[in-house]
Amino acid sequence: SQQGEEDPQALSIQEGENATMNCSYKTSINNLQWYRQNSGRGLVHLILIRSNEREKHSGRLRVTLDTSKKSSSLLITASRAADTASYFCATDAGSSYKLIFGSGTRLLVRP
Amino acid sequence: KAGVTQTPRYLIKTRGQQVTLSCSPISGHRSVSWYQQTPGQGLQFLFEYFSETQRNKGNFPGRFSGRQFSNSRSEMNVSTLELGDSALYLCASSHQGGTNEKLFFGSGTQLSVL
Repeated sequence: SQQGEEDPQALSIQEGENATMNCSYKTSINNLQWYRQNSGRGLVHLILIRSNEREKHSGRLRVTLDTSKKSSSLLITASRAADTASYFCATDAGSSYKLIFGSGTRLLVRP
Repeated sequence: KAGVTQTPRYLIKTRGQQVTLSCSPISGHRSVSWYQQTPGQGLQFLFEYFSETQRNKGNFPGRFSGRQFSNSRSEMNVSTLELGDSALYLCASSHQGGTNEKLFFGSGTQLSVL
């Protein structure tokens, strides 16, 4: 079963707009990560946030974590067509060596 | 540094056959994880290896097995293939395998079972 569930399942926006994706999880975590996958390829790591952190930035990416609500969000600002991909959150569910991925959000950025 | 290499890129097999997939991690990485990705089930964790030892296993039948060699290269094997085994199989490597590390993924092996 999935630990993380992303919302929305699909998102279509215009280039230049911001995109927000949400991830909810079920059990306590130590770390939460976000990954991007271009169609049919391997995943690429975007950002890692620890359970004692509330917000993290990396370039145009901003990730927040609310452990009381068991949720995280990924914000991509000033989106580009090249951001078109699927985005996944991954949590450890308290495990040391296993990352469990959510169902993903498919983002389409229209030129 | 070379990235994670998975071979072959594509495979076509028939039901009942067995298949072996290979993964070469990034040099210096000792942990290798395997995932199965399907449109219906998403990304499912198969197993994780570190220093030739399986430390964690997902919820898959015994037909799915793996191993890791002393040079950290890993293989996974699926025996008695079923139609439902058709999927993209991804491997990922990291230094120690902890969830506080980022994973580096290969491009995957696309397995089709006919």
